[in-house]
Amino acid sequence: GAGVSQSPSNKVTEKGKDVELRCDPISGHTALYWYRQSLGQGLEFLIYFQGNSAPDKSGLPSDRFSAERTGGSVSTLTIQRTQQEDSAVYLCASSVFPGQANTEAFFGQGTRLTVV
Amino acid sequence: RKEVEQDPGPFNVPEGATVAFNCTYSNSASQSFFWYRQDCRKEPKLLMSVYSSGNEDGRFTAQLNRASQYISLLIRDSKLSDSATYLCVVVPIGGYNKLIFGAGTRLAVHP
Repeated sequence: GAGVSQSPSNKVTEKGKDVELRCDPISGHTALYWYRQSLGQGLEFLIYFQGNSAPDKSGLPSDRFSAERTGGSVSTLTIQRTQQEDSAVYLCASSVFPGQANTEAFFGQGTRLTVV
Repeated sequence: RKEVEQDPGPFNVPEGATVAFNCTYSNSASQSFFWYRQDCRKEPKLLMSVYSSGNEDGRFTAQLNRASQYISLLIRDSKLSDSATYLCVVVPIGGYNKLIFGAGTRLAVHP
């Protein structure tokens, strides 16, 4: 389909290992967001991309978290030395830019990360 | 204080009931407002935008009060399929269209 695609859908990793989460946004969407949702909680903003640059990375919880986006398309969120508190669903969303206020953000189905 | 606050619920209502959700936001410079819906273990999806004059989409009515920094969602004639978590979303001015989510209000509609 033409929606936002995330992979893997589920990831179980051992504490201390690195993980990479991938997001394929909707074609033509220049804005891309990463959010994190812990069980029973709301969505926590992590980082925003406009094209390949990240003007707002204020939500990254620590320097173990990083993200990049290439070709104005695919984005990868990397978590180094994973901790149990990193366990959550990581959601990616994309939307059309320029910053039109009433544009919809389309979400992928998320990656459920479990750190054991 | 959280940027966007919602009553977590749950709201348990019978089919056909009218139910209202409230949301307050702290940044007076916020420019755009939305309600998203999230089904259990699914991704959020846009329910409706919220306009200054208030807007209606079928059984759903959204209201915005900028002076009080308050947003509401009214659902009339509730259906079983309305059971979900409703997320209030605010976009601050200069926020690169960053969506700030409330923690959500859970609605359970029963027969």
